[in-house]
Amino acid sequence: ETGVTQSPTHLIKTRGQQVTLRCSSQSGHNTVSWYQQALGQGPQFIFQYYREEENGRGNFPPRFSGLQFPNYSSELNVNALELDDSALYLCASSLGPNSPLHFGNGTRLTVT
Amino acid sequence: GQNIDQPTEMTATEGAIVQINCTYQTSGFNGLFWYQQHAGEAPTFLSYNVLDGLEEKGRFSSFLSRSKGYSYLLLKELQMKDSASYLCAVPENAGNNRKLIWGLGTSLAVNP
Repeated sequence: ETGVTQSPTHLIKTRGQQVTLRCSSQSGHNTVSWYQQALGQGPQFIFQYYREEENGRGNFPPRFSGLQFPNYSSELNVNALELDDSALYLCASSLGPNSPLHFGNGTRLTVT
Repeated sequence: GQNIDQPTEMTATEGAIVQINCTYQTSGFNGLFWYQQHAGEAPTFLSYNVLDGLEEKGRFSSFLSRSKGYSYLLLKELQMKDSASYLCAVPENAGNNRKLIWGLGTSLAVNP
């Protein structure tokens, strides 16, 4: 059974740029959730996708957007990067919207 | 609104037992999750409690009291590898696990 995989593992971007983070869900999982985790904080919910549709969104501005593909993999796109966007971005898949989350190892994004 | 409280740090000795508490306030209730997160890594699922009482899973057990808005994670026969952050999380809305509200985590240090 393949777990949740994220790419890239680390990324450095400049303020104002755009970034795309990718996530492959665990086999059999149709739901993907994205979280942002700042150092020393708990994860903050960005949004969730269930069967290719957005299924809930946290308090993040519209420049944070996402996609889920027919194979249930997902992308997180962030436009107009700001310094405060520097964080660990976690993708988690689950069997359904109400099932426990299984996290990938995250993408460490640094905005300079 | 929702609120979760956990102790910030705890220290214990190898082989001992430690209890990590979590209190929560939610507008509805649909279960409580515990996750373990090692430094620099993604959270891993430990337990999910919906009903009152103690659920045992090997060296780790989790307890829930819905009337008191209280849970604890019990770790027995502590090992050095148990040094990690332990995060308590609850779904934002009853019947909807899309958005998890997370505590800041309890950093557990296990000493020899």
